[in-house]
Amino acid sequence: NAGVTQTPKFQVLKTGQSMTLQCAQDMNHEYMSWYRQDPGMGLRLIHYSVGAGITDQGEVPNGYNVSRSTTEDFPLRLLSAAPSQTSVYFCASSYSAQFQRNTIYFGEGSWLTVV
Amino acid sequence: AQSVTQPDIHITVSEGASLELRCNYSYGATPYLFWYVQSPGQGLQLLLKYFSGDTLVQGIKGFEAEFKRSQSSFNLRKPSVHWSDAAEYFCAVRSSGGSNYKLTFGKGTLLTVNP
Repeated sequence: NAGVTQTPKFQVLKTGQSMTLQCAQDMNHEYMSWYRQDPGMGLRLIHYSVGAGITDQGEVPNGYNVSRSTTEDFPLRLLSAAPSQTSVYFCASSYSAQFQRNTIYFGEGSWLTVV
Repeated sequence: AQSVTQPDIHITVSEGASLELRCNYSYGATPYLFWYVQSPGQGLQLLLKYFSGDTLVQGIKGFEAEFKRSQSSFNLRKPSVHWSDAAEYFCAVRSSGGSNYKLTFGKGTLLTVNP
């Protein structure tokens, strides 16, 4: 992968707990996004950002918050974890939000289990 | 809204056999199309992409894909499969213009390779 770092890689949460999945890239990418991957569902877009201070909702935003205070970081917050949020989460980024030809690079994923 | 359909959830082939994974998309104009591969427990790696021009595109690891506008398809092929190709494969579509930066994935095709 080309410099998209996700932490933690594995996490177990209890229902109702909150946590933040961290995503950082060192490629000066404008576009960053979060996906969740569930068996048989492919990857679904949660939230995305086209630059610092700008975020928008994707396909499945409920239960998640994001912010983009710097170009490098795009954390995903679970406010009150639910078992339905058990999933694998991927952060992805690309150089320019204005140019859809830019390759989107993915992090290695964060495995989250909510019990 | 853009969408991607991968009709085959699971495909099994013998090592050395040829492979074709199907992908159909829905989009109002010519989209940007991608194939990603995901090995177990790993992130997504870009195999190839189509933006415009030659409808047969070559990718890494000996894969190729052909864009057929009349069939709204972007099928992935490989003439001779290796055991290391066992993985899950995702087709994805992205808008070729406007302010829609989202990358939409199909639900994936799991490839098993028999020795």
